Amino acid sequence: SQQGEEDPQALSIQEGENATMNCSYKTSINNLQWYRQNSGRGLVHLILIRSNEREKHSGRLRVTLDTSKKSSSLLITASRAADTASYFCATDAIAAGNKLTFGGGTRVLVKP
Amino acid sequence: DAGVIQSPRHEVTEMGQEVTLRCKPISGHDYLFWYRQTMMRGLELLIYFNNNVPIDDSGMPEDRFSAKMPNASFSTLKIQPSEPRDSAVYFCASSFGGSNQPQHFGDGTRLSIL
Repeated sequence: SQQGEEDPQALSIQEGENATMNCSYKTSINNLQWYRQNSGRGLVHLILIRSNEREKHSGRLRVTLDTSKKSSSLLITASRAADTASYFCATDAIAAGNKLTFGGGTRVLVKP
Repeated sequence: DAGVIQSPRHEVTEMGQEVTLRCKPISGHDYLFWYRQTMMRGLELLIYFNNNVPIDDSGMPEDRFSAKMPNASFSTLKIQPSEPRDSAVYFCASSFGGSNQPQHFGDGTRLSIL
């Protein structure tokens, strides 16, 4: 099974609502990253949070990290139709030789 | 600045043919990664280079796959002979300063093997 697994697999919300997705992982990490992928495009890096950090913000994005629960969440506030995409967490597990391992992603649909 | 550039964007070929995918990383980046994305297996790391040297190719599925990086601005992923199960989207990504640093992805090559 994958190091990082997102939940839910899919999410449908109305424009203006908040979207929250979670990532769980199995082994200790150096950092955790979130990426966005629009249909037919490559992944775009959103935010990196280190293992000694608990929360980071970037614009309408808020990421939390709970290393005791081995989980992270990504919150998109005041969603827009342009936020429609798949969102992936990627973990840098110490045991994985500092390579990033990507989860299966959460597909987010923001309806106008 | 230009991002990671991949070519071709789409490739359709028959089983048994040789396929070559190309990548130009972001100038100044010292790490280059090749990934494969499928619905069934998600995004898988195939191989990555540091300063043009292959560091970890444990994700390369079999000997039919090979990757080279002759210089800092160019890399290829070759499949020979190709099989239908190789059909996927192949991404190239680059980063600066570490294999665990933020990666910049190209828009991928959608490969279909008939």
